[in-house]
Amino acid sequence: NAGVTQTPKFRVLKTGQSMTLLCAQDMNHEYMYWYRQDPGMGLRLIHYSVGEGTTAKGEVPDGYNVSRLKKQNFLLGLESAAPSQTSVYFCASRPAGQGIYGYTFGSGTRLTVV
Amino acid sequence: AQSVTQLDSHVSVSEGTPVLLRCNYSSSYSPSLFWYVQHPNKGLQLLLKYTSAATLVKGINGFEAEFKKSETSFHLTKPSAHMSDAAEYFCVVSDGAGGYNKLIFGAGTRLAVHP
Repeated sequence: NAGVTQTPKFRVLKTGQSMTLLCAQDMNHEYMYWYRQDPGMGLRLIHYSVGEGTTAKGEVPDGYNVSRLKKQNFLLGLESAAPSQTSVYFCASRPAGQGIYGYTFGSGTRLTVV
Repeated sequence: AQSVTQLDSHVSVSEGTPVLLRCNYSSSYSPSLFWYVQHPNKGLQLLLKYTSAATLVKGINGFEAEFKKSETSFHLTKPSAHMSDAAEYFCVVSDGAGGYNKLIFGAGTRLAVHP
């Protein structure tokens, strides 16, 4: 089925370890987003991309890096994980043009940093 | 800057009774507003969206929401709750700054439905 696929679905990291979360979409969407979800805070935007090779900071970018080398993939990296980065991470994509239409979300990655 | 306030963190109803989830927004221009639902351990699903057409918006699963500009509200309602409606609901406004239309989420309302 077409959509947004996130890998892995679950991960436990030790403080200081690094990892990369992968988001892949097969809908040829221009825009892609990484959000984190924490209890009582809704979803907050970490980074986003408006096209291949471009990225921009969102609301809570510190401690994360991203790359969009291919249009269909948006990678979120944690260089040195901290317990404060324990969260559920959601990737989303949407087509360009109309802007507000057509967001599609992945099913999330649950990350625990111990 | 745009913002969203969901007035209730938890709402509990009995099956078959009406549902009301309240949302107020702040926007410097005509906003686009959405309601998303998240079932336990699942991703987010779009329930409905308001994009400056009809002020009463009908969504999936019998939900609807009314845009009231004078009250800056976008409350979500359903006439009769079903057990399967138990989930977390997010009111969302689209931030059009820079033309990139980022979504700004409320903190969420957890809906419990009792038999």
